[in-house]
Amino acid sequence: DAKTTQPPSMDCAEGRAANLPCNHSTISGNEYVYWYRQIHSQGPQYIIHGLKNNETNEMASLIITEDRKSSTLILPHATLRDTAVYYCIVRVPVSGTSYGKLTFGQGTILTVHP
Amino acid sequence: KAGVTQTPRYLIKTRGQQVTLSCSPISGHRSVSWYQQTPGQGLQFLFEYFSETQRNKGNFPGRFSGRQFSNSRSEMNVSTLELGDSALYLCASSLAGRVETQYFGPGTRLLVL
Repeated sequence: DAKTTQPPSMDCAEGRAANLPCNHSTISGNEYVYWYRQIHSQGPQYIIHGLKNNETNEMASLIITEDRKSSTLILPHATLRDTAVYYCIVRVPVSGTSYGKLTFGQGTILTVHP
Repeated sequence: KAGVTQTPRYLIKTRGQQVTLSCSPISGHRSVSWYQQTPGQGLQFLFEYFSETQRNKGNFPGRFSGRQFSNSRSEMNVSTLELGDSALYLCASSLAGRVETQYFGPGTRLLVL
């Protein structure tokens, strides 16, 4: 799986958009970008994933640059409950050695303040 | 639909003992993965089971083992506990090992004294 780089921490005001960056300059053509988050004392939660097109769901939007070397997770209207560690993971969707396996880095601690 | 459940939620053991943790996946999910989370090493993949077979394994010593039953419930066992095994143990279930359908349980917090 390709290595990712995320800032260790970020702050965001409640109600504003939170933009979390992730660098993955060694990403391969068949690797997807996945985002998870972990709220304190809970298990990680899947947010969104994409290959090269921008993606949006009810939780967030994912913007992937044209060269696919970086991406941004956008929480359009952050709330206090969005305070969590956000993980960017790059991997192939499924393969013989990746079933059920996620390789987590250190992630970004997002703090949403009033 | 009920989520992933893990039992027990908290556990205290002493060095040298063994422990068994249980995970019940979401109904219909046949893949169960286990992870260890510590402050120093973060979240690390232990192993994945599908249809009662271990299909994927992380880099952990043989003291860590697991199994899956015909109803997809899974257990993991740690023998000869060490202080460093103190961690949050998380299990996640998915339909067939695809991580975008993977849902995590609340975890079992193990403290080894």
